[in-house]
Amino acid sequence: AQKVTQAQTEISVVEKEDVTLDCVYETRDTTYYLFWYKQPPSGELVFLIRRNSFDEQNEISGRYSWNFQKSTSSFNFTITASQVVDSAVYFCALSEGTTSGTYKYIFGTGTRLKVLA
Amino acid sequence: DAGVTQSPTHLIKTRGQHVTLRCSPISGHKSVSWYQQVLGQGPQFIFQYYEKEERGRGNFPDRFSARQFPNYSSELNVNALLLGDSALYLCAATSVYGNEQFFGPGTRLTVL
Repeated sequence: AQKVTQAQTEISVVEKEDVTLDCVYETRDTTYYLFWYKQPPSGELVFLIRRNSFDEQNEISGRYSWNFQKSTSSFNFTITASQVVDSAVYFCALSEGTTSGTYKYIFGTGTRLKVLA
Repeated sequence: DAGVTQSPTHLIKTRGQHVTLRCSPISGHKSVSWYQQVLGQGPQFIFQYYEKEERGRGNFPDRFSARQFPNYSSELNVNALLLGDSALYLCAATSVYGNEQFFGPGTRLTVL
């Protein structure tokens, strides 16, 4: 069965610190996709990144970086030099590949990040 | 292009009532999905529609139904509301280039 685990419920850091949000997933499929979304207090989920199961290259986008390791079924997210505006709930999600065109996301329970000034 | 829009923003209903939530996807995005997000939890998949056909359904009772219109907008209907239906209901449009989903601002439903 598909499952996404975000063991960290809440993390607090001081501005400019680096922080890593953990995500562990379970799936039986060989083709799948992993995502990270940010949910600020307004409630709208903001897309951050998509990775497919065949691409294990790490990715960096500005202060954000992602580490995908199939061997440990993990897809961790690091924010470098955190800022107060990074405060939000972050969700990791999994979608299995399908020929039917059904893209059902399985979300983790989220990690609330608080960045203190 | 405008993003995904949802209406209404907030809604208060009482137990037993019926509610209709609306979603308009990004222009050109033919697939719409609905999710329920209970406070403190991650979103849970309810439905996906593509070209007006149901392509997937989550583990929700038959009180939940949806449809998609020729212009790709969608409605989510919930009958016989229960207190536990109180949640943020999110609509997402699926990218035509991949399967990343772009979410609307949600409708916050409170059932009293």
